[in-house]
Amino acid sequence: EPEVTQTPSHQVTQMGQEVILRCVPISNHLYFYWYRQILGQKVEFLVSFYNNEISEKSEIFDDQFSVERPDGSNFTLKIRSTKLEDSAMYFCASTDGKSGTGFWGNTGELFFGEGSRLTVL
Amino acid sequence: AQSVTQLDSHVSVSEGTPVLLRCNYSSSYSPSLFWYVQHPNKGLQLLLKYTSAATLVKGINGFEAEFKKSETSFHLTKPSAHMSDAAEYFCVVSDLREKLTFGTGTRLTIIP
Repeated sequence: EPEVTQTPSHQVTQMGQEVILRCVPISNHLYFYWYRQILGQKVEFLVSFYNNEISEKSEIFDDQFSVERPDGSNFTLKIRSTKLEDSAMYFCASTDGKSGTGFWGNTGELFFGEGSRLTVL
Repeated sequence: AQSVTQLDSHVSVSEGTPVLLRCNYSSSYSPSLFWYVQHPNKGLQLLLKYTSAATLVKGINGFEAEFKKSETSFHLTKPSAHMSDAAEYFCVVSDLREKLTFGTGTRLTIIP
């Protein structure tokens, strides 16, 4: 069964360092997302991406964050200069956008990866 | 704006007894509602979804949920709990742009 894969599963970094989290969405999917979950808190939307550009981003997604789809298969989240409060589980998700009734044709049936745990020291 | 409230942060039930995980939602639109499950060290898996079709929705592993507009509720139920059901459960609402808003989660513990 197709699945979303994320690497690394766990990364430890020093404050101020750059981090890149990688995701390989399901191959025929067109819409891509990053969510994060700080330990003990709810899962929060970061950004959505469609047609090689950001379609929506949250207040959390400030100038320190960026996303790109460099090669048609990977979808990356970069944090330019990590802060302690960036420590969280980061989830990548994708959807094909063909099966739903929403504005973008989605149902919100996102397929999530297993997450990348980022620890900033 | 949309939001979900999961009324219980932790629910414990004995194996073989019914499960009830409560969720209330708020949305400006006719919402799409979902339940996702997260097993330890695993990703988020869709259990079931409501998208304005039948109000009683059946999902995987014997779970179901009923959409009640008058009560703005979307509670998750299962007639008989199994040990493998132990996990974190998230009630989720989706807006027209498919941005998901998660509840705070309910940790389900199954007592042998």
